Amino acid sequence: GIQVEQSPPDLILQEGANSTLRCNFSDSVNNLQWFHQNPWGQLINLFYIPSGTKQNGRLSATTVATERYSLLYISSSQTTDSGVYFCAVENQAGTALIFGKGTTLSVSS
Amino acid sequence: ETGVTQTPRHLVMGMTNKKSLKCEQHLGHNAMYWYKQSAKKPLELMFVYSLEERVENNSVPSRFSPECPNSSHLFLHLHTLQPEDSALYLCASSQDNNPGGGWMGSNTEAFFGQGTRLTVV
Repeated sequence: GIQVEQSPPDLILQEGANSTLRCNFSDSVNNLQWFHQNPWGQLINLFYIPSGTKQNGRLSATTVATERYSLLYISSSQTTDSGVYFCAVENQAGTALIFGKGTTLSVSS
Repeated sequence: ETGVTQTPRHLVMGMTNKKSLKCEQHLGHNAMYWYKQSAKKPLELMFVYSLEERVENNSVPSRFSPECPNSSHLFLHLHTLQPEDSALYLCASSQDNNPGGGWMGSNTEAFFGQGTRLTVV
């Protein structure tokens, strides 16, 4: 099946710093989403981005489907950005999302 | 209510108990999912329902039994669980634009509930 790899696995930042999270996938995909999981376990939708670039406040994402990767940019990070960031792509059967292992972000003040 | 709602939020059960997790979506979607997230592990797909029919069962033990009575509700019935089944169980929904078609790109953006944190003692 399709493989989803995220890097780095862990990231520690000072408040105000910028960061880039990467998601590589092993096959062509039509659906890709980025999520933020907060400390209570809730998965928050960040971007639905099968291709192209989107921005939402301090966050932006770019997916280059032909090269099989997606990037999530976080600018001017805040302590509330801490948590686990997941990339998920649709499986080859077209039935559900398959998740990467996530990047754990810790932002300190 | 809006979005995807899961109840209960927390559940502690003995290995001989029978309990059920409930998920309800208010997004008008036709596909619903159960995922399991164990400590320090990625989310694992358990079950997929599209138009109330199970379309995927990802090698899940029979002690987990899903039920989808309509497109808005999804249950996960639990019986004789093991301590290693302790995990966060997450429900999600999306719109499948090609039910039964099985081709990539047919599902819209998926939304998740808050999860049920299950502890088996």
